[in-house]
Amino acid sequence: LAKTTQPISMDSYEGQEVNITCSHNNIATNDYITWYQQFPSQGPRFIIQGYKTKVTNEVASLFIPADRKSSTLSLPRVSLSDTAVYYCLVGFNNAGNMLTFGGGTRLMVKP
Amino acid sequence: DAMVIQNPRYQVTQFGKPVTLSCSQTLNHNVMYWYQQKSSQAPKLLFHYYDKDFNNEADTPDNFQSRRPNTSFCFLDIRSPGLGDAAMYLCATSRETTGLNTEAFFGQGTRLTVV
Repeated sequence: LAKTTQPISMDSYEGQEVNITCSHNNIATNDYITWYQQFPSQGPRFIIQGYKTKVTNEVASLFIPADRKSSTLSLPRVSLSDTAVYYCLVGFNNAGNMLTFGGGTRLMVKP
Repeated sequence: DAMVIQNPRYQVTQFGKPVTLSCSQTLNHNVMYWYQQKSSQAPKLLFHYYDKDFNNEADTPDNFQSRRPNTSFCFLDIRSPGLGDAAMYLCATSRETTGLNTEAFFGQGTRLTVV
């Protein structure tokens, strides 16, 4: 299982771009990288998934360097409603299931 | 329209009294998961089903059991709840467990209180 390391917390201001980096040094060849967002008292919500280079959707971008040992979630122009915990998930647990959550990054967006 | 529905949203049970939490899905996904999430912690995977195949996490206590009678429904049974089992329980589904089709859809969760 590729362990992930993320900053515990980050602060930002409305309108700024936020980049959250996740380290996954022992990522395997067939591992995908997936990010989820979770608001208090709600289930996590899928944001974006990628394998290499760059992926962009209507919510975020995901940058993955060539060695794939890290990835960066980029949130453009955050608003107060982006205050949440962001989880980076990589790889599989012993049962072959990739949905094992690491510590997550608590993002606080200030006005 | 809600695609993963958990009932109830809030459940209060007595110490040691069996309790069942339910989850249903309208996505026809192969995989259903149960997670336990305590305050300020990440969700912890308890087990998952791929179709009818049950996969238990190594550190999931025997006190937690699960049933999946059909594709749409999955139940979490806590045989003898202790105070330490008070948490948010999250159900999720995904089409697959490997590769691209692993986007998971979560329910709103059931918050369990043990008194």
